[in-house]
Amino acid sequence: DTAVSQTPKYLVTQMGNDKSIKCEQNLGHDTMYWYKQDSKKFLKIMFSYNNKELIINETVPNRFSPKSPDKAHLNLHINSLELGDSAVYFCASSQGGTRVLGTQYFGPGTRLLVL
Amino acid sequence: AQSVTQPDIHITVSEGASLELRCNYSYGATPYLFWYVQSPGQGLQLLLKYFSGDTLVQGIKGFEAEFKRSQSSFNLRKPSVHWSDAAEYFCAVVPGSSNTGKLIFGQGTTLQVKP
Repeated sequence: DTAVSQTPKYLVTQMGNDKSIKCEQNLGHDTMYWYKQDSKKFLKIMFSYNNKELIINETVPNRFSPKSPDKAHLNLHINSLELGDSAVYFCASSQGGTRVLGTQYFGPGTRLLVL
Repeated sequence: AQSVTQPDIHITVSEGASLELRCNYSYGATPYLFWYVQSPGQGLQLLLKYFSGDTLVQGIKGFEAEFKRSQSSFNLRKPSVHWSDAAEYFCAVVPGSSNTGKLIFGQGTTLQVKP
């Protein structure tokens, strides 16, 4: 059973398109995250939701919009894709809201390539 | 500036040899410290974490790490490396002043294991 799953695993698209990445966790956690890993493998947090409430919103272009329909899902929608959006996007989840004691469990990643 | 530094971008060790991966941080208050491993094409898995108490922490897969406040370091060690340990290793911190649990990652160290 996959704890944190992401779809699709690979996404190749043209500049200017709009795309979504879906994330689901079956761990019963109350907090979910989106991270971006660039071509140099540098990982940076983008967003975090706790009980469907946005709690971390880093300096990310407003073309990126997270949506959390319920505690088990956090989707990432990207408008007007640009070349620089090519990266691996990781979803993660944890229990305990903003308490740091909650270990973050990561999904397998979605590899986005913008042509 | 506040940061997490992994000085070694790439390390190669022989199977069976010992391993030490370095991590330094620069935060005023002692942060919460983590080591994650990313196998090729996979998401991140937590190896171990330090919040307080004993400065030598044990993790999964035979890894351990030692927190040294005087050196602002949290180095990861393993006495005998296995070929399956080849992966990307990330040190991460949550600043002690954080109220969001935001993980800040180092640049990563790529570990190659020679037979």
